[in-house]
Amino acid sequence: DSGVTQTPKHLITATGQRVTLRCSPRSGDLSVYWYQQSLDQGLQFLIQYYNGEERAKGNILERFSAQQFPDLHSELNLSSLELGDSALYFCASSVRANEQFFGPGTRLTVL
Amino acid sequence: DQQVKQNSPSLSVQEGRISILNCDYTNSMFDYFLWYKKYPAEGPTFLISISSIKDKNEDGRFTVFLNKSAKHLSLHIVPSQPGDSAVYFCAASAGGNDMRFGAGTRLTVKP
Repeated sequence: DSGVTQTPKHLITATGQRVTLRCSPRSGDLSVYWYQQSLDQGLQFLIQYYNGEERAKGNILERFSAQQFPDLHSELNLSSLELGDSALYFCASSVRANEQFFGPGTRLTVL
Repeated sequence: DQQVKQNSPSLSVQEGRISILNCDYTNSMFDYFLWYKKYPAEGPTFLISISSIKDKNEDGRFTVFLNKSAKHLSLHIVPSQPGDSAVYFCAASAGGNDMRFGAGTRLTVKP
């Protein structure tokens, strides 16, 4: 158990819909990262927040957005969903930049 | 852009033998490299790392080698055990930011 929690574990929705994925970092970790893993693909870095502020942006689509709240939990919002958005979405947290602890992931299926 | 590449999607070895997983990178600014291990239905877990100032780091049965001139790193597992069967991700970062992951190599260790 990494100490990072993600909800929900599974999510099934339809194209065009909007979903919110939630992440609670390990206690004391200020940084939260979001990654997408599509079938047979590596982990694609989406975005990083540090203590409520956006710190780095990766390959995140404009239809996707994220935020980190004062209690340090984070949410990833995915809108206008497409079939290709079906993937595993991982959240990670860290206190040191090079040591990230991953949650169990949310499996999103867009039908 | 695939800045971190794992060209072997899968590897199968016999229990007790050595497993060698390879990773290549293109960004010369990367200064920290990590290996993560992922079991099904779980998030990746940190395995071992190496800084660019070193060429080898060892932790029990796991050794990571870094060849900066070739922009290549490898993970050696010896002896391999059936419990090592998992997907292994190579990752790299520059200045602690924006970690990039490879596509992963699925290791199967046969009893």
